Amino acid sequence: AQKITQTQPGMFVQEKEAVTLDCTYDTSDQSYGLFWYKQPSSGEMIFLIYQGSYDEQNATEGRYSLNFQKARKSANLVISASQLGDSAMYFCAMRGPGSGGSNYKLTFGKGTLLTVNP
Amino acid sequence: GAVVSQHPSRVICKSGTSVKIECRSLDFQATTMFWYRQFPKQSLMLMATSNEGSKATYEQGVEKDKFLINHASLTLSTLTVTSAHPEDSSFYICSARAGIGYGKNIQYFGAGTRLSVL
Repeated sequence: AQKITQTQPGMFVQEKEAVTLDCTYDTSDQSYGLFWYKQPSSGEMIFLIYQGSYDEQNATEGRYSLNFQKARKSANLVISASQLGDSAMYFCAMRGPGSGGSNYKLTFGKGTLLTVNP
Repeated sequence: GAVVSQHPSRVICKSGTSVKIECRSLDFQATTMFWYRQFPKQSLMLMATSNEGSKATYEQGVEKDKFLINHASLTLSTLTVTSAHPEDSSFYICSARAGIGYGKNIQYFGAGTRLSVL
């Protein structure tokens, strides 16, 4: 069974500083995908970044980067130059296993509540 | 990014009534749609996976007759909570993934529906 672990229930960061949100995963699959989503208090889930297990380069999307360490089974999210609007819950998730559409099921971690202080 | 529309955003109903929630992919064809449930301050729990034109696949413990899912087209899936009771009160959120291209790996989420059963 797949498992995602986010050990930081809450994190605080000063505006304009960088912050790392931790995520470790457990899977016996060779092919998998890792995701980060942001959930503001409004409830919508906003896709941030995706890393495939065979991708050699760490994924980056603007101020977001994913520090993928396959041997350690970690997929930490780095947010650079934090903004007040980054305050939200952040979820790490993993895709798979299965066949067809179910191959794309996501398993979510418990989330980290990030607070950006002015 | 891809847009998924979910309606209604909030619904209050009496115990025993049925409630239908719609999930539409607005600018892409969704091969697979997913329905999640989220309790306060908790992570997302997958309820079912829905492929266009076929029966939904429910996760263990999810009552098929309570939560009816229909995926009639490549852009629309509906979740009907039948004979709703107070314990069904929750935040329900759908997601959709495209069948081809980079987007096939990504689940894009709707804004969610907050259901309150009196």
